[in-house]
Amino acid sequence: DSGVTQTPKHLITATGQRVTLRCSPRSGDLSVYWYQQSLDQGLQFLIHYYNGEERAKGNILERFSAQQFPDLHSELNLSSLELGDSALYFCASSPPGTGSWVKQFFGPGTRLTVL
Amino acid sequence: GENVEQHPSTLSVQEGDSAVIKCTYSDSASNYFPWYKQELGKGPQLIIDIRSNVGEKKDQRIAVTLNKTAKHFSLHITETQPEDSAVYFCAAFDSGTYKYIFGTGTRLKVLA
Repeated sequence: DSGVTQTPKHLITATGQRVTLRCSPRSGDLSVYWYQQSLDQGLQFLIHYYNGEERAKGNILERFSAQQFPDLHSELNLSSLELGDSALYFCASSPPGTGSWVKQFFGPGTRLTVL
Repeated sequence: GENVEQHPSTLSVQEGDSAVIKCTYSDSASNYFPWYKQELGKGPQLIIDIRSNVGEKKDQRIAVTLNKTAKHFSLHITETQPEDSAVYFCAAFDSGTYKYIFGTGTRLKVLA
């Protein structure tokens, strides 16, 4: 158990809908990262928040957005869902290191199925 | 931007043999290289990492080597056991952009 929690574990929805995935980082961690993992694919970096502010953006679609709240939990919002959005979504957190390198710890993921 | 290539995509070894997984990166600014193990239905678990100022690091049966000049790093697992079977991902971290870029993964099967 990494200490990172994600809810829900599974989510089944229809095309065109909107969903919200939630992540709570490890105690003391200020950074939250979101990743998408499609079937038999690698981990695609979506976005990174540090202490409430967006720090880096990856290949995140405009239909997707995220935020990190004052209590440091984060939410990833996916809207106008398409079949191709079906994937595992992982959140990871890391401690407030020096910035030159920081260990990243992953949550158990949310499996999204769009029908 | 950074690109990380990982080989092989699948690897089968006999129990007790060694396994080696290799990654190459493109951005010389990357300075931290973690390896993750992902078991079925679970999130990736950090198993070992190496910083750019270190050439080799070992933790029991697992070791990682880094060649900065050639921009490649490798994961070595010795005396493999069935429980080592999983998907392994390498990654490169760019402290300038705060981005982790992951390899495409290696599915390791340890045959008993």
